[in-house]
Amino acid sequence: DTGVSQDPRHKITKRGQNVTFRCDPISEHNRLYWYRQTLGQGPEFLTYFQNEAQLEKSRLLSDRFSAERPKGSFSTLEIQRTEQGDSAMYLCASSLDTSGYEQYFGPGTRLTVT
Amino acid sequence: AQKVTQAQTEISVVEKEDVTLDCVYETRDTTYYLFWYKQPPSGELVFLIRRNSFDEQNEISGRYSWNFQKSTSSFNFTITASQVVDSAVYFCALSEAQRDSSYKLIFGSGTRLLVRP
Repeated sequence: DTGVSQDPRHKITKRGQNVTFRCDPISEHNRLYWYRQTLGQGPEFLTYFQNEAQLEKSRLLSDRFSAERPKGSFSTLEIQRTEQGDSAMYLCASSLDTSGYEQYFGPGTRLTVT
Repeated sequence: AQKVTQAQTEISVVEKEDVTLDCVYETRDTTYYLFWYKQPPSGELVFLIRRNSFDEQNEISGRYSWNFQKSTSSFNFTITASQVVDSAVYFCALSEAQRDSSYKLIFGSGTRLLVRP
């Protein structure tokens, strides 16, 4: 049973560039979450999908951010016109569609905007 | 509003000491879930335990034990006979079942545990 995978693990980009991250959840999990974690803080919720439907977005997710989950499998998170404040670890998690079921996290993508 | 507080920013112990990590939560839901995750230096969050709000039984798993007390809104985590490999950041998290169909996790700010040999 493979866990959640994320690609790339690290990304360095210049301010103003666009970046895209990919997340592959555990295969039988139909819920997928994106979180952002900055240094010294706990992860903060960004958005969530149930199958292919994006059902909730945090106010943290500005209009420069977009996420998709075509066909309810992998998901992508795109950040357009990156800013230095976007530098963070972007974490993906998946879970079964069961109330309170634990979420399993991927290794994260560390984004550095120079 | 929902909130998780981990007041201990950093704890340092010597190997084989017992250590307790505190977690206090706030929620207006009567049905909710509490979690502990471990984040070792490699960075990946590792699930440790889930409790639901209706089950206040304490749980023990090897050297790990958890004490859930609804009366004080606390869900504390104790490591007995700590080992160097326990060094990590530990996060407590809350998920609400009634007001939040996403069951997203609300995390505390974490407690960094350093176990010295």
